[in-house]
Amino acid sequence: DAGVIQSPRHEVTEMGQEVTLRCKPISGHDYLFWYRQTMMRGLELLIYFNNNVPIDDSGMPEDRFSAKMPNASFSTLKIQPSEPRDSAVYFCASSLGRWVGKLFFGSGTQLSVL
Amino acid sequence: KNEVEQSPQNLTAQEGEFITINCSYSVGISALHWLQQHPGGGIVSLFMLSSGKKKHGRLIATINIQEKHSSLHITASHPRDSAVYICAVLSDMRFGAGTRLTVKP
Repeated sequence: DAGVIQSPRHEVTEMGQEVTLRCKPISGHDYLFWYRQTMMRGLELLIYFNNNVPIDDSGMPEDRFSAKMPNASFSTLKIQPSEPRDSAVYFCASSLGRWVGKLFFGSGTQLSVL
Repeated sequence: KNEVEQSPQNLTAQEGEFITINCSYSVGISALHWLQQHPGGGIVSLFMLSSGKKKHGRLIATINIQEKHSSLHITASHPRDSAVYICAVLSDMRFGAGTRLTVKP
């Protein structure tokens, strides 16, 4: 398996634009997580899915953020409208089992909102 | 106050030295994870612990549930071990701030 695949690797956009980040989890994994990492706040869990169903989105900072998982092999994280404070590295990860399965991370998307 | 505390924040060692990174937590856990973030940014899960000790190559992780403390040890450290090591209580969505390890040749 190729591991967790994220795209794009880098995204530069202007404030107010819509941003869509994509993730393909490892086949067979039943949990998918979206994390954000900044220098100030470190790693933060934004939302996670179990079998394509959102379970906990309490980490999503605002209504500008939304995430979907239309099928077992694809998830998106959307920011609309984007703001400079959204600049961060966004990681997607998947696992078999919730908190006790090994977590596999994608390589991340470096987002810069100007 | 972060409910997952790591120490030290930064650590510089000479190649071959024995390394210990500590993690204390104040929340109840089902499992504690140790993550390694390479200088390029990629994150790798090293260990998931709910009790006792685990070993993988030169890496050893231990956890004491009663004392709410975990340690990550690296034996015979090597420059390629240079990375940021993060402990995490994923069930509580808590992450330590990370320990930046630099191993000099």
